[in-house]
Amino acid sequence: GDSVTQMEGPVTLSEEAFLTINCTYTATGYPSLFWYVQYPGEGLQLLLKATKADDKGSNKGFEATYRKETTSFHLEKGSVQVSDSAVYFCALSDNQGAQKLVFGQGTRLTINP
Amino acid sequence: DTAVSQTPKYLVTQMGNDKSIKCEQNLGHDTMYWYKQDSKKFLKIMFSYNNKELIINETVPNRFSPKSPDKAHLNLHINSLELGDSAVYFCASSQGGNRETQYFGPGTRLLVL
Repeated sequence: GDSVTQMEGPVTLSEEAFLTINCTYTATGYPSLFWYVQYPGEGLQLLLKATKADDKGSNKGFEATYRKETTSFHLEKGSVQVSDSAVYFCALSDNQGAQKLVFGQGTRLTINP
Repeated sequence: DTAVSQTPKYLVTQMGNDKSIKCEQNLGHDTMYWYKQDSKKFLKIMFSYNNKELIINETVPNRFSPKSPDKAHLNLHINSLELGDSAVYFCASSQGGNRETQYFGPGTRLLVL
């Protein structure tokens, strides 16, 4: 079945550091790919998405590029802020009829001032 | 205005009890979902409804019964609660197919004692 694998957390960085959170997937067909963010005590918010190969999703300084050849969708940000501290989820939607998101295990990010 | 709302936000109850969680969306979406987030933050689909019809039932025990009285509501009733049901339950909605963004509610934190 479909699956998503994210890099193990937790990840701790200093403010203004460069961030990469790795995400790879296994799916039949051509899934849509998403990054969701969960701030402490809150629900999930869509951060960015890409629906086809080579698409780049971006929002709030975060970027991720849909790489079909490496089945990856790594999240990057050039300069993180304390307010970026949250849990980040990579997810896919398989576009095969079943309307559901398959999530990775989440990566907890802490940014220190 | 809250797009996807859930009530209650917190629910503490004894083993064996029956409880319900309500979800409403005011986005005009035709598809609604329930996800379960366990203590390790792992998120998994439970149910999906499209236009009040059940689309996905992801091997959830039949103690869990979703009910969709109309397109804007998807409630979750749980019978005979067990300790392992303790989790955060998220409702979500989307319009149309698999490439569409799902919008999540704030979650209901259920603790079974």
